[in-house]
Amino acid sequence: DVVMTQSPLSLSVTLGQPASISCRSSQSLVYSDGNTYLNWFHQRPGQSPRRLIYKASNRDSGVPDRFSGSGSGTDFTLKISTVEAEDVGVYYCMQGIHWPRTFGQGTKVEIK
Amino acid sequence: EVHLLESGGGFVQPGGSLRLSCAASGFTFSSYAMGWVRQAPGKGLEWVSIIINSGGTTYYADSVKGRFTISRDNSKNTMSLQMNGLRVDDTAVYYCVQNWNGDNWGQGTLVTVSS
Repeated sequence: DVVMTQSPLSLSVTLGQPASISCRSSQSLVYSDGNTYLNWFHQRPGQSPRRLIYKASNRDSGVPDRFSGSGSGTDFTLKISTVEAEDVGVYYCMQGIHWPRTFGQGTKVEIK
Repeated sequence: EVHLLESGGGFVQPGGSLRLSCAASGFTFSSYAMGWVRQAPGKGLEWVSIIINSGGTTYYADSVKGRFTISRDNSKNTMSLQMNGLRVDDTAVYYCVQNWNGDNWGQGTLVTVSS
């Protein structure tokens, strides 16, 4: 199985400050069609996950533009330009090429 | 707006069975693969199974292979997960998920396996 490794596993951020989460895959996530299948999800406490980013850098509909995804091959980053209170929760990366789909361990973001 | 509604969770003893259902609306159901992702209490996310849009091909995580069966009815916009031989470590919230890359998720249904 493809192993997804996130860092850090927890992050304490001041409101209005930036935050960054790293995700590394054990295999390349570049598919034969040229696309990179890496997704980012956000799960608020007590809620189901919601996808924020697909194909490494594309924001889903309704996702604020303070969220951005980047990276290629096996190394990826999710950035929040200015953290807001509603951004607390756990962030997961997930590879979208191989079965079984696999997630990172999750990064818990809290407000300092 | 995409809406996914799970049902069928509950409490069951080890070795027992449960059938989960997912009712979908707001999109052309027959055009999308559908799957189940679970989350054990306080833990991360694990893909359990997925079924392609036509229903002809299914995939399972090794942890549930031979015990769980995924199916769908495109005429009713529903997907199901038959879970047999349940184990304590199957205890989790089970989410219905649209598409291979988790486009949209339901609110989840809790399955508790305990003696």
